[in-house]
Amino acid sequence: ETGVTQSPTHLIKTRGQQVTLRCSSQSGHNTVSWYQQALGQGPQFIFQYYREEENGRGNFPPRFSGLQFPNYSSELNVNALELDDSALYLCASSRSTGDYGYTFGSGTRLTVV
Amino acid sequence: DAKTTQPPSMDCAEGRAANLPCNHSTISGNEYVYWYRQIHSQGPQYIIHGLKNNETNEMASLIITEDRKSSTLILPHATLRDTAVYYCIVRRNAGNMLTFGGGTRLMVKP
Repeated sequence: ETGVTQSPTHLIKTRGQQVTLRCSSQSGHNTVSWYQQALGQGPQFIFQYYREEENGRGNFPPRFSGLQFPNYSSELNVNALELDDSALYLCASSRSTGDYGYTFGSGTRLTVV
Repeated sequence: DAKTTQPPSMDCAEGRAANLPCNHSTISGNEYVYWYRQIHSQGPQYIIHGLKNNETNEMASLIITEDRKSSTLILPHATLRDTAVYYCIVRRNAGNMLTFGGGTRLMVKP
C-alpha cells in the first residue's frame, strides 16, 4: 500500500502571495488532517477533512483553507502569505476521524521571503 | 486534551534500552496515551498507544502507571536509526486532532 504523498517538497513564496499544497492520502484512508510545524517545535493542528467537509479546526486564521476531493486527496490553501507562515506543512491520513494510527507524509517546506 | 511534560533531550547507548518518560498528571479517564516519533526530515510516525494496561508491539513497549499520571516508552534495544524526537500525546480516542508538545530528542550513540 502506498503511503501519504505531498507535493511539492519545497516551495519559496513572496509575502502577500497565495500558495496551494497537495496531499494524496494512503490507500483505504478517508480522513485527512493538516499540521504546521515551525522550526524546532512540534506540529500544530490546522484542520481535518472528512467526507469533503471540514471536521475540526485549530487556532489558525481563515486565510488558511482546505479542500478534500472525492478520492480523499486534499489541498491546503494559504492566502496573503506572511513571513511567519514559513514552516513544514504536514499532511496525515487515517481510516476514520478518530482512528489511532495517523500516517503522515514527509511534508512541504514552505519559505516565505 | 490533557497536557504532557517530557524531558527535552536524552542520550542512550546503542543496544541498550531507551526509557522515555512522560508526565500527564491531568489526564482524564477517557483519554489515551499515544507515542509518535519524528526522524529528521520526515513526518511523525505512530509508535504505540494505550489506555491503562501496558502495551507492547514490534516497535516498543508502553508502561502506564496505575494512577495513569505518567507513562514510559521503552525501546528495548535502541539502534542509531531510533535517533529522533519522541512525542507523548494524550487524546480522547474519538478526537480529531493530535496535540504535540515539544517532545524528547533522543540521541542514540555508538
